[in-house]
Amino acid sequence: EPEVTQTPSHQVTQMGQEVILRCVPISNHLYFYWYRQILGQKVEFLVSFYNNEISEKSEIFDDQFSVERPDGSNFTLKIRSTKLEDSAMYFCASWGGSYEQYFGPGTRLTVT
Amino acid sequence: AQKVTQAQTEISVVEKEDVTLDCVYETRDTTYYLFWYKQPPSGELVFLIRRNSFDEQNEISGRYSWNFQKSTSSFNFTITASQVVDSAVYFCALSEENSGGGADGLTFGKGTHLIIQP
Repeated sequence: EPEVTQTPSHQVTQMGQEVILRCVPISNHLYFYWYRQILGQKVEFLVSFYNNEISEKSEIFDDQFSVERPDGSNFTLKIRSTKLEDSAMYFCASWGGSYEQYFGPGTRLTVT
Repeated sequence: AQKVTQAQTEISVVEKEDVTLDCVYETRDTTYYLFWYKQPPSGELVFLIRRNSFDEQNEISGRYSWNFQKSTSSFNFTITASQVVDSAVYFCALSEENSGGGADGLTFGKGTHLIIQP
């Protein structure tokens, strides 16, 4: 069964540092998404990406965040200058027009 | 703006009891999709079901069943004869169809923490 993969599974970084979270969506999917989940809270939509550009973004997705599909297989989320409140689980998802959005296993980001 | 409300923060039942998780949604769109996801302690999001707004037929899958009622904007989830392995956080979510025919990002409810006691 096709799956979305994410690396790393856990990232620890210091406040103010840049971090890049990586995702490999399912190969023939066209829509890609990032979500975050602060510990113990609900899953929140960050951004969707289609045809090499952002198609929708939430209020959370401010100038500190950016997304990129650098090589046709990877889909990355960059946080320029991390804050303590960026500590969360970050989920990547992809959608190919069928039944569901496929979620990756998540990357746990810890900002110290 | 779309919104999903899961009023039950935590439910605790004894194994083999039936349990219903409530989900109420708000949307202005006529075409939308409703989802249920399970999040076990390991943290991944496990897809359970998707329902289209124009398909109000209830669905049963083994011990799981879903009751979709547009009149009350609800999409409730029932587990029959619950088992300890059903213990998890369950999220209801909503997605609207965007102008390009694709799927917008999901709006999740706050989740219901289901505890099944042996």
